[in-house]
Amino acid sequence: QKEVEQNSGPLSVPEGAIASLNCTYSDRGSQSFFWYRQYSGKSPELIMSIYSNGDKEDGRFTAQLNKASQYVSLLIRDSQPSDSATYLCAVPSGAGSYQLTFGKGTKLSVIP
Amino acid sequence: KAGVTQTPRYLIKTRGQQVTLSCSPISGHRSVSWYQQTPGQGLQFLFEYFSETQRNKGNFPGRFSGRQFSNSRSEMNVSTLELGDSALYLCASSLQGADGYTFGSGTRLTVV
Repeated sequence: QKEVEQNSGPLSVPEGAIASLNCTYSDRGSQSFFWYRQYSGKSPELIMSIYSNGDKEDGRFTAQLNKASQYVSLLIRDSQPSDSATYLCAVPSGAGSYQLTFGKGTKLSVIP
Repeated sequence: KAGVTQTPRYLIKTRGQQVTLSCSPISGHRSVSWYQQTPGQGLQFLFEYFSETQRNKGNFPGRFSGRQFSNSRSEMNVSTLELGDSALYLCASSLQGADGYTFGSGTRLTVV
């Protein structure tokens, strides 16, 4: 059973700070990793994908991948109240699989 | 461009009934996945279709079934509804399945 683990939170950060969200996965063969944002009452929205070790930056978001340690993280710089949401980490269930396994999500609250 | 369209948005059904949910993917997307989301279990994978073929199936009973049509539109069916089937059912589409999925707004199913 492939597993994806996230701290459920809530994670509270002040406006303007850096929010750090972490995710660990069990399948060493995983090749792609996704971060989704889900606002309350809405569906998940893909915000970042990462396939190689290292960092990938997109605006205020940075995804970091360390395959040796089997973790992927998401940094949100200059956090805004509009970033308050649940962040879901997703990993394909095995090499070549089209089935995504999601973590339970981390609820982020950005305090004005 | 139009996103993933799911109909209906809300459904109330009685135990023992069956239900069919519909999903129209983003134009050009050939991979369609279905997920069930509940507060306790999070997002759980139901099945994935590509070019009318089911490529992956999650650990759900046989009461849950799906299909995909030649225009990539997909339906899922749940027979003999149980109270525990009450959930948000999400459809997601992707070009090929390995590049991240875009979710629809979901169908909120309530079984009474």
